[in-house]
Amino acid sequence: NAGVTQTPKFQVLKTGQSMTLQCAQDMNHEYMSWYRQDPGMGLRLIHYSVGAGITDQGEVPNGYNVSRSTTEDFPLRLLSAAPSQTSVYFCASNRQGSSEKLFFGSGTQLSVL
Amino acid sequence: EDQVTQSPEALRLQEGESSSLNCSYTVSGLRGLFWYRQDPGKGPEFLFTLYSAGEEKEKERLKATLTKKESFLHITAPKPEDSATYLCAVRLSPQGGSEKLVFGKGTKLTVNP
Repeated sequence: NAGVTQTPKFQVLKTGQSMTLQCAQDMNHEYMSWYRQDPGMGLRLIHYSVGAGITDQGEVPNGYNVSRSTTEDFPLRLLSAAPSQTSVYFCASNRQGSSEKLFFGSGTQLSVL
Repeated sequence: EDQVTQSPEALRLQEGESSSLNCSYTVSGLRGLFWYRQDPGKGPEFLFTLYSAGEEKEKERLKATLTKKESFLHITAPKPEDSATYLCAVRLSPQGGSEKLVFGKGTKLTVNP
């Protein structure tokens, strides 16, 4: 099992550009989520999904979109990148009923210039 | 406001020198406290779940304990491979709100040989 796979590992964008961070899991987990990690702050939830076709906002959703067309994939879209979105982004998945045992990907380091 | 505070921010130990990391919380509706380990350039990896005061969990050189207001991660005779950032998270079920996971900022542990 590969677990949770995120691509790309690194990305540099200019302000105003859009892009999609990819996330895929092969554990057949119902739940998937996106977090950002900034220096001096804890992980913060951006968006999450409890199953295919169902998504909801987390703590810091502005400027991001998600969709969940399959159980395996949960892409995160930056609509118009801003310097404040410079961060490390982590995708996570977990089994329904086990919300504390998140399985994280290895992260995407994004810089917005 | 719900808060999770980890201390110290950073800790340097000599190999074999036991110590403890602290996670204190001021939250209402606590539904579990979790410890994760994060290595540089990687996503967090689940370690323990604690649900009630007095509960303890152990894994190799690590032991997690929980009181009503804080949790400790005790590291006994650490080795250099224990060097990592340790994250604490609490799951909340606030009145009138949806369940959420709140992460602390982490403690960066360095164990010197």
